Amino acid sequence: QKEVEQNSGPLSVPEGAIASLNCTYSDRGSQSFFWYRQYSGKSPELIMFIYSNGDKEDGRFTAQLNKASQYVSLLIRDSQPSDSATYLCAVKDFGNEKLTFGTGTRLTIIP
Amino acid sequence: GAGVSQSPRYKVAKRGQDVALRCDPISGHVSLFWYQQALGQGPEFLTYFQNEAQLDKSGLPSDRFFAERPEGSVSTLKIQRTQQEDSAVYLCASSLRGRGIEQFFGPGTRLTVL
Repeated sequence: QKEVEQNSGPLSVPEGAIASLNCTYSDRGSQSFFWYRQYSGKSPELIMFIYSNGDKEDGRFTAQLNKASQYVSLLIRDSQPSDSATYLCAVKDFGNEKLTFGTGTRLTIIP
Repeated sequence: GAGVSQSPRYKVAKRGQDVALRCDPISGHVSLFWYQQALGQGPEFLTYFQNEAQLDKSGLPSDRFFAERPEGSVSTLKIQRTQQEDSAVYLCASSLRGRGIEQFFGPGTRLTVL
């Protein structure tokens, strides 16, 4: 079983709607959770991180963490065509510096 | 300031050749990571340095892979006797020490083994 699971998509969302991206993880020792955005042919760039249960908002982005369910999500409000990219979920365990990534979800915003 | 840089950006190797990939981290970043990203997959951890010390090399897929960071700044990932399955994008990332949250990624080196 892969440690970090994401639906590979593609996920198509109309412009202006809310895009919802989901991620589950298997290791209960996971401490920090990250969402990276990766445009085609480019390197990953950090959008948000979260380490406490609940919601964390930054502009149009909201990260949600539920440690009991081992579930983390990313909501993108007012989706724009420029949000079209692959979104990578990553986790970091306590005492460990490396990131473990999911396979990514490809998101397409339809104008 | 400058971000993480990697060279070469593209490398084509014949099977059996040795290759060396270079990473220049952000100045002052103590931690340096190498990841391998196959097509359509997420990055997979290879190895991690703190300064010149290689603290975790658990992700290196075989003893053909070797990484070094002798002076605690520039790092080189070497792959000996390349195989077709080594074809991937090799990403380098750096971060501030310890409590630093964000790993900043370089543009990657796309390696194609023929």
